[in-house]
Amino acid sequence: NAGVMQNPRHLVRRRGQEARLRCSPMKGHSHVYWYRQLPEEGLKFMVYLQKENIIDESGMPKERFSAEFPKEGPSILRIQQVVRGDSAAYFCASSPRTDSGNTIYFGEGSWLTVV
Amino acid sequence: DAKTTQPNSMESNEEEPVHLPCNHSTISGTDYIHWYRQLPSQGPEYVIHGLTSNVNNRMASLAIAEDRKSSTLILHRATLRDAAVYYCISDPAGNNRKLIWGLGTSLAVNP
Repeated sequence: NAGVMQNPRHLVRRRGQEARLRCSPMKGHSHVYWYRQLPEEGLKFMVYLQKENIIDESGMPKERFSAEFPKEGPSILRIQQVVRGDSAAYFCASSPRTDSGNTIYFGEGSWLTVV
Repeated sequence: DAKTTQPNSMESNEEEPVHLPCNHSTISGTDYIHWYRQLPSQGPEYVIHGLTSNVNNRMASLAIAEDRKSSTLILHRATLRDAAVYYCISDPAGNNRKLIWGLGTSLAVNP
């Protein structure tokens, strides 16, 4: 049973370019979460999605960031016009249900570097 | 702000037990306590979670205080592969899994 799959693992973008990060949840999981980890900091919640629905995007920056989880295919976190401050590790996680008693499983992360 | 507090770092010797403390005096009665660990350049790895009763799994044990103001993650025999940052996190019910992560405890394991 494959875990949460993220790609690319490492991505380098120049300022002003777009970054697209993909996440395939674990088999049977319909809840996807994106977290961001800045250097020397803890993870910060960004967004929670179910298929074709954004449930909670309270942690997403208001501009340049968007997320989707289409009916078919992986979840995508899109960052437009990247700036140096977007350099971070972006982690996707998934769970079979949303109640707090069950486990969230994380992927290996996508490490974005903006030069 | 994180609802949990942990020591910044701890050190252990290989093959010895490790007790990693966590204070969570402000969590509510329905907040689960989750523990994850993270190795450098990797994603967080689930370790264990619980609500009120002590929990055991193949990786570790979780001892939760009766008043739920604190808990302890127990690694029964530390190995070099257990060197990681350990995060204790509260997971409030109905919060859309917006886990609030602190800086965790960096565990060093000496050979």
